[in-house]
Amino acid sequence: DAGVIQSPRHEVTEMGQEVTLRCKPISGHNSLFWYRQTMMRGLELLIYFNNNVPIDDSGMPEDRFSAKMPNASFSTLKIQPSEPRDSAVYFCASSLALDSEQYFGPGTRLTVT
Amino acid sequence: QKEVEQNSGPLSVPEGAIASLNCTYSDRGSQSFFWYRQYSGKSPELIMFIYSNGDKEDGRFTAQLNKASQYVSLLIRDSQPSDSATYLCAVARRSNYQLIWGAGTKLIIKP
Repeated sequence: DAGVIQSPRHEVTEMGQEVTLRCKPISGHNSLFWYRQTMMRGLELLIYFNNNVPIDDSGMPEDRFSAKMPNASFSTLKIQPSEPRDSAVYFCASSLALDSEQYFGPGTRLTVT
Repeated sequence: QKEVEQNSGPLSVPEGAIASLNCTYSDRGSQSFFWYRQYSGKSPELIMFIYSNGDKEDGRFTAQLNKASQYVSLLIRDSQPSDSATYLCAVARRSNYQLIWGAGTKLIIKP
């Protein structure tokens, strides 16, 4: 299996621009998670889906953040407009079920200048 | 009190010794527990999961779970320099099955 796929791997953008991060979960996995990791705050859960339905988005920091999962094999996390404090590594993870082991993608390193 | 707590370290262990990493959690109803390893600049990688009280062994790694005392440990035998990484503990919340993550313990294996 190819594992969780994320794109792009690196993104550098200017403040105010829209950023879209993409994720393809492992085939057959029913749950998908978006995380953000920084040195200061560690690993933070932003939002998660089960069977393509958003279950909990309480971790999304602001309305500037949105996520979609139009089908079982694709999800996006969008930031509009982006700000320098959004700079972080964003991980997507998937699992068979909500409480089973999660497998992480390689992450997207976002830098907002 | 954080739901999942780990000592941030760094924990320094000589090569060949046993490294012991600990994690405590607050949700007494939690049923699923996970250990991940994260190398600098890489994504978290699953090492082990454990559901039942007691020990679970996989190669040089042993996970220990004590639900009565609400802690889970990871032992690494015959530590190697390649084991140097940050180790993350994750616990599934009983109410909504969401994984709650510890802040991680940085482990350094000294040659």
